[in-house]
Amino acid sequence: DAGITQSPRHKVTETGTPVTLRCHQTENHRYMYWYRQDPGHGLRLIHYSYGVKDTDKGEVSDGYSVSRSKTEDFLLTLESATSSQTSVYFCATSLTYGTPQDTIYFGEGSWLTVV
Amino acid sequence: GQQLNQSPQSMFIQEGEDVSMNCTSSSIFNTWLWYKQDPGEGPVLLIALYKAGELTSNGRLTAQFGITRKDSFLNISASIPSDVGIYFCAGQRGSGNTGKLIFGQGTTLQVKP
Repeated sequence: DAGITQSPRHKVTETGTPVTLRCHQTENHRYMYWYRQDPGHGLRLIHYSYGVKDTDKGEVSDGYSVSRSKTEDFLLTLESATSSQTSVYFCATSLTYGTPQDTIYFGEGSWLTVV
Repeated sequence: GQQLNQSPQSMFIQEGEDVSMNCTSSSIFNTWLWYKQDPGEGPVLLIALYKAGELTSNGRLTAQFGITRKDSFLNISASIPSDVGIYFCAGQRGSGNTGKLIFGQGTTLQVKP
């Protein structure tokens, strides 16, 4: 458990509205990630961060942006939500990067429904 | 994008039975990870494998890193009701790619008391 808190945990929003999901961690992990989970697809990486203000795209980054102004917070923004972005979003963190012993810890998830 | 093929997709078993699930890929991975996700929760790491041929146990769970580095399996012995959940395999191709885990589609396990 890496002390990861996601908010909101559940949200229903309308198509075309902006949505921001917040991830807060208390373990001072350098690396943070946003995944989405959909039936039949497992977990897919949206964006990740390797430090304050340092971010990069993942596998399914279209329609999403991220920001990391502090070590402990990683924000995921849907600028204009679409129904295809209805999903469960998981934040994750890891202390290290690039070593075989890295362990990635997941938050509890944010359920987003776009209607 | 690259995917891992995880099977079976779902299992419904009797308490006490053993369970086996596996993941295969067309690509080589340097690390294999197995996660369990309880309903309404995030995935939790069960076992991590770092070398081809490695066999690692965690209680009633045993996982192996395939010799070809393209597959891995997870066994659960003497299943109990709290084993219910979704089990995910994940592969990592090498150093410098941490976080860019490739996940399988998941195996949903149900255990009948």
